[in-house]
Amino acid sequence: DTGVSQDPRHKITKRGQNVTFRCDPISEHNRLYWYRQTLGQGPEFLTYFQNEAQLEKSRLLSDRFSAERPKGSFSTLEIQRTEQGDSAMYLCASSRTGTPIDEQFFGPGTRLTVL
Amino acid sequence: LAKTTQPISMDSYEGQEVNITCSHNNIATNDYITWYQQFPSQGPRFIIQGYKTKVTNEVASLFIPADRKSSTLSLPRVSLSDTAVYYCLVGDNTGRRALTFGSGTRLQVQP
Repeated sequence: DTGVSQDPRHKITKRGQNVTFRCDPISEHNRLYWYRQTLGQGPEFLTYFQNEAQLEKSRLLSDRFSAERPKGSFSTLEIQRTEQGDSAMYLCASSRTGTPIDEQFFGPGTRLTVL
Repeated sequence: LAKTTQPISMDSYEGQEVNITCSHNNIATNDYITWYQQFPSQGPRFIIQGYKTKVTNEVASLFIPADRKSSTLSLPRVSLSDTAVYYCLVGDNTGRRALTFGSGTRLQVQP
């Protein structure tokens, strides 16, 4: 097991284009989280899945953002009609229920630059 | 969720012990205290979690006084590789809530 992986690691796009990011969690982890981080700030929560069910969405997640986890394994985060303000690091994390310590394992992130 | 306050930055030298204190005056009865570490261009990494008194693992110690309104992360004998941002988080440990990060403490370790 190599941990949480994210693809791509970097994405440069023009304003107005759509982008999609993928996250592969640790295999036995049933919870998956998406966060966004801008320079100098801590990560901000976007959305959370338990298995394939999307249980919580932040108000940060505008209608241009959509996330899926169709089979309860990998997840995708799509941003439609990107804006320059969407430029950030997008982090994915996973965890497992039933453990005494709630530890989230983060991936390396996808850095999005919107020109 | 309980709000946390921690210093914006700290400086230290290699070999010294570093203590980072976090205030969380409104901590709830079922809240735990968790610390994460983040290096540039990487995702955060779990360091330690505790509820009360003292917790120690191979990386750090976490001291929590009886009133639980603050906590101190202690890093023994830091090295240059400990230069990172350290986040203090407070919340239940069920995993049903996402983590709420503040701005963290930027620790710079000098040779």
